[in-house]
Amino acid sequence: GIQVEQSPPDLILQEGANSTLRCNFSDSVNNLQWFHQNPWGQLINLFYIPSGTKQNGRLSATTVATERYSLLYISSSQTTDSGVYFCAPDSGGGADGLTFGKGTHLIIQP
Amino acid sequence: NAGVTQTPKFQVLKTGQSMTLQCAQDMNHEYMSWYRQDPGMGLRLIHYSVGAGITDQGEVPNGYNVSRSTTEDFPLRLLSAAPSQTSVYFCASSYSRAVNSPLHFGNGTRLTVT
Repeated sequence: GIQVEQSPPDLILQEGANSTLRCNFSDSVNNLQWFHQNPWGQLINLFYIPSGTKQNGRLSATTVATERYSLLYISSSQTTDSGVYFCAPDSGGGADGLTFGKGTHLIIQP
Repeated sequence: NAGVTQTPKFQVLKTGQSMTLQCAQDMNHEYMSWYRQDPGMGLRLIHYSVGAGITDQGEVPNGYNVSRSTTEDFPLRLLSAAPSQTSVYFCASSYSRAVNSPLHFGNGTRLTVT
């Protein structure tokens, strides 16, 4: 199946800082989603972004499918941004469904 | 709009016991799936369904059964619980696996097998 690598694994920032999270994947995809798991364990869908760029408030995401990577940008970080960010590409075939990376654990300090 | 509802939130089982984790969605989604999340790991797909009456195996299906008799419900059955099944289980749904179908998760069930 598709291999997913997220970096960095851990990130500690001060409130107000900007950050870029990266997701590399090994095969072509027809679907890629970014999720935020908050400290209470809830998984929230941030972006459905198989290609191109999308923005939602302080967050934006870019997927370059031909080069097999996606980036999640967080600007002006807030403490509520803390949690784990997962990317999940879907190669579109077989039983794999979405394949989740191991995530980037982000801590925003006040 | 309730979205994806999972019950129970917490469960403790003894080795060898069986139980069913419930999942229901009210969004008329065709696609439903079960994932497990273990410490330091991402989520791994257990079983999925692309519509009522259709189920298939994911990456880690052993020890689990599913059925999809209605569009709304997708229960996960543990046949004979083992300590290796201690995990957090998430149910998720989307309109389909086709284009522009974001996946929505329930709040999870934390299962401990002793």
